[in-house]
Amino acid sequence: EPEVTQTPSHQVTQMGQEVILRCVPISNHLYFYWYRQILGQKVEFLVSFYNNEISEKSEIFDDQFSVERPDGSNFTLKIRSTKLEDSAMYFCASILDSSSYNSPLHFGNGTRLTVT
Amino acid sequence: TQLLKQSPQFLSIQEGENLTVYCNSSSVFSSLQWYRQEPGEGPVLLVTVVTGGEVKKLKRLTFQFGDARKDSSLHITAAQPGDTGLYLCAGPSGGYNKLIFGAGTRLAVHP
Repeated sequence: EPEVTQTPSHQVTQMGQEVILRCVPISNHLYFYWYRQILGQKVEFLVSFYNNEISEKSEIFDDQFSVERPDGSNFTLKIRSTKLEDSAMYFCASILDSSSYNSPLHFGNGTRLTVT
Repeated sequence: TQLLKQSPQFLSIQEGENLTVYCNSSSVFSSLQWYRQEPGEGPVLLVTVVTGGEVKKLKRLTFQFGDARKDSSLHITAAQPGDTGLYLCAGPSGGYNKLIFGAGTRLAVHP
């Protein structure tokens, strides 16, 4: 079964550094998402992306965050200047058809970002 | 603000027991989804319930959506150690499949 793949599985970075988290969504999917889960807390929506542009973003997704689909297969999340509170598990997800209840959201296994 | 509250937070039971976990909100949702998440992995969709009062079965798991579409339950019959995991409910909040999640019920089934 096709799956969403994320790399790296674990990223350690120093505060103030830029990080890029990478995702390869399922190939025929059209809608892409980033969610994050701080240790012990809820999974939180960050951003949705469709037709090469952001369709919705949460208040967490401030100017330090950006997303890109540079080549039609990869979907990246960039954090420009990481803060300690950015430490979390970041999940990429994709879906074929956002309007259909029969079209499930597929999550990757996440990238654990640790900011020191 | 839409919120999903899950209970209990933790559940530790013996193999063969039955259990029910709950997902409640004061808001109406057009649908609710249940996910299972294992350590180090992303959530995996189990089921989507759409119609008020709907009951869906997935082998030993029974999902129910409340008549008013504000709550849902997951019942597991004869739990097995393989059922161990974090069970999350989630509902759409806005367009484009933006989901809000509950905090989850962490289930441990002991042999």
